[in-house]
Amino acid sequence: GAVVSQHPSWVICKSGTSVKIECRSLDFQATTMFWYRQFPKQSLMLMATSNEGSKATYEQGVEKDKFLINHASLTLSTLTVTSAHPEDSSFYICSARGGTIPYEQYFGPGTRLTVT
Amino acid sequence: AQTVTQSQPEMSVQEAETVTLSCTYDTSESDYYLFWYKQPPSRQMILVIRQEAYKQQNATENRFSVNFQKAAKSFSLKISDSQLGDAAMYFCAYRSGNTGNQFYFGTGTSLTVIP
Repeated sequence: GAVVSQHPSWVICKSGTSVKIECRSLDFQATTMFWYRQFPKQSLMLMATSNEGSKATYEQGVEKDKFLINHASLTLSTLTVTSAHPEDSSFYICSARGGTIPYEQYFGPGTRLTVT
Repeated sequence: AQTVTQSQPEMSVQEAETVTLSCTYDTSESDYYLFWYKQPPSRQMILVIRQEAYKQQNATENRFSVNFQKAAKSFSLKISDSQLGDAAMYFCAYRSGNTGNQFYFGTGTSLTVIP
């Protein structure tokens, strides 16, 4: 139980285009979802926290107009990187809260974004 | 904000031997949770072990155990009988029991297992 999926697992896009990443909780309802960014050989950096049906809360320094987060249902959150640039290339990981252990987060497998 | 410190960027261990990864944290809270996550080359974050701060007994999961020293704010991970599959990045994480849902991660320790 408590499985989180992400789609796509790897995406390449051209500079200036937008790309959407989906995060789904497959067997539980996720009241809260989190989006992280991870550069090579670095730790996870929290970008934003989203609760179902409300606006996401962004961490300091994260551009909310560039990284659009939508948490429209209890099983789906999306991260859209708008007008992507090469510096947005990174590994994006989502996690979800709401499984059997309330204080735990369940992580998705991550999405590798490459902007050319 | 809480901080989590992992002072060992890299560690290595001989197969079948024991290794301990260090983690310290800074908090003024009394209610919180601590975690160790493993991130293999696939990048999937895998929960290794969790510890509730209100529990005095150290958590154990098969070959993995922790040494939780609440007063010292220390939370080390011991891996016994190390296996090649244990090679990965290991992250220590903190979660408040009172405020918010955010996890605070350490900078990670890269573990190499030598055959």
